Amino acid sequence: DIQMTQSPSSLSASVGDRVTITCRASQGISIWLAWYQQKPGKAPKSLIYAASSLQTGAPSRFSGSGSGTDFTLTISSLQPEDSATYYCQHYNSYPLTFGGGTKVEIK
Amino acid sequence: EVQLVESGGGLVQPGGSLRLSCAASGFTFSDHYMDWVRQAPGKGLEWVARIRMKANSSSTEYAASVNGRFTISRDDSKNSLYLQMNSLKIEDAATYFCARHAGCSPTCFSAMDYWGQGALVTVSS
Repeated sequence: DIQMTQSPSSLSASVGDRVTITCRASQGISIWLAWYQQKPGKAPKSLIYAASSLQTGAPSRFSGSGSGTDFTLTISSLQPEDSATYYCQHYNSYPLTFGGGTKVEIK
Repeated sequence: EVQLVESGGGLVQPGGSLRLSCAASGFTFSDHYMDWVRQAPGKGLEWVARIRMKANSSSTEYAASVNGRFTISRDDSKNSLYLQMNSLKIEDAATYFCARHAGCSPTCFSAMDYWGQGALVTVSS
């Protein structure tokens, strides 16, 4: 199974800050990586697919990069509504697996 | 508007069975693979199962933790996805989400693009 490791597990940043979350796969997954945002008590929402493609409807301040084993999700200017937990997920092979999540809090 | 609405959650004893349903609307259900993903209370996301389109024989994939106990199925005539859960264990307690695979154009390597609100399954004696 491919293991997905996210870091950090949590962070606190101010409105307007640039925030970066990393995700590392235990083996190469090409660009087959997605990022999701989940707020408490809600379903996850798709943000990024194919490592760097912005999902329709996702704010443009979100961007993704990487290929192979190392990936990043960047929020260019953190907004209050971005307080949430973010998950990466690979879809290169079965079983599909998620990272452990990164909780983003607003200072 | 794409909508996915889960139902069928509830309290079940260890060893018991439960069937979850997911009603889909706002898109051509038969054209999409579908997934079940679960989340134990206070924990992260865990993929459970996938079913492909009828054009791919509605073939299935399962996480090792549920293989042999859970069965994913679909009824395209009813725009519905199902998860039959047998021999339930304490560790199966979670919110179960159905999610739509984004499609096979140009490749079937696709993420999940829409999610339902989830159905809570509690396993307790």
